[in-house]
Amino acid sequence: DTAVSQTPKYLVTQMGNDKSIKCEQNLGHDTMYWYKQDSKKFLKIMFSYNNKELIINETVPNRFSPKSPDKAHLNLHINSLELGDSAVYFCASSPRSLYGYTFGSGTRLTVV
Amino acid sequence: TQLLEQSPQFLSIQEGENLTVYCNSSSVFSSLQWYRQEPGEGPVLLVTVVTGGEVKKLKRLTFQFGDARKDSSLHITAAQPGDTGLYLCAGARAAGNMLTFGGGTRLMVKP
Repeated sequence: DTAVSQTPKYLVTQMGNDKSIKCEQNLGHDTMYWYKQDSKKFLKIMFSYNNKELIINETVPNRFSPKSPDKAHLNLHINSLELGDSAVYFCASSPRSLYGYTFGSGTRLTVV
Repeated sequence: TQLLEQSPQFLSIQEGENLTVYCNSSSVFSSLQWYRQEPGEGPVLLVTVVTGGEVKKLKRLTFQFGDARKDSSLHITAAQPGDTGLYLCAGARAAGNMLTFGGGTRLMVKP
């Protein structure tokens, strides 16, 4: 069984659309994250979320919003997509950051 | 400016050579981790170091955390083509904090 699974793997959409990426973890971890990896492979934190606290990177546009229906899921909603949103988005989970993250395999988002 | 600076950014070597990748910062970290990422996949955790001066070995890979917990290195002995990938260091400023990643080192090992 995949520990952290993301869907879809690839997402191609037009500017202005609204889209969602789903993430599920079966590791029993308390905290989940969303990262964005740009074309230069730099990983940038977007959100950190456990059942008590949402931490938002202040540089993330408010068009991006995490939604967590339960402890095992953290979905990413993006409104009014822009060309610059094209990137690979990774979901991850951890018991605590001190112990390392388990990443999903990524969602490549292309906005045209 | 990135909190964690990795060097070199790119490294192309022949099979059997040794190499060292560096991860430097002016900030102190409570833990530092190394990941390897292959194309089309997410990063995979290799090791976590938490104590200043700590050295950990994973087969041909040796990881060291600086005494002041501001820097780390990854040394690979007798590199193999299977070592090819993107190596990322990441640090947590305090327990429970989000990880900050370095810019990565792209390693290519030629047969």
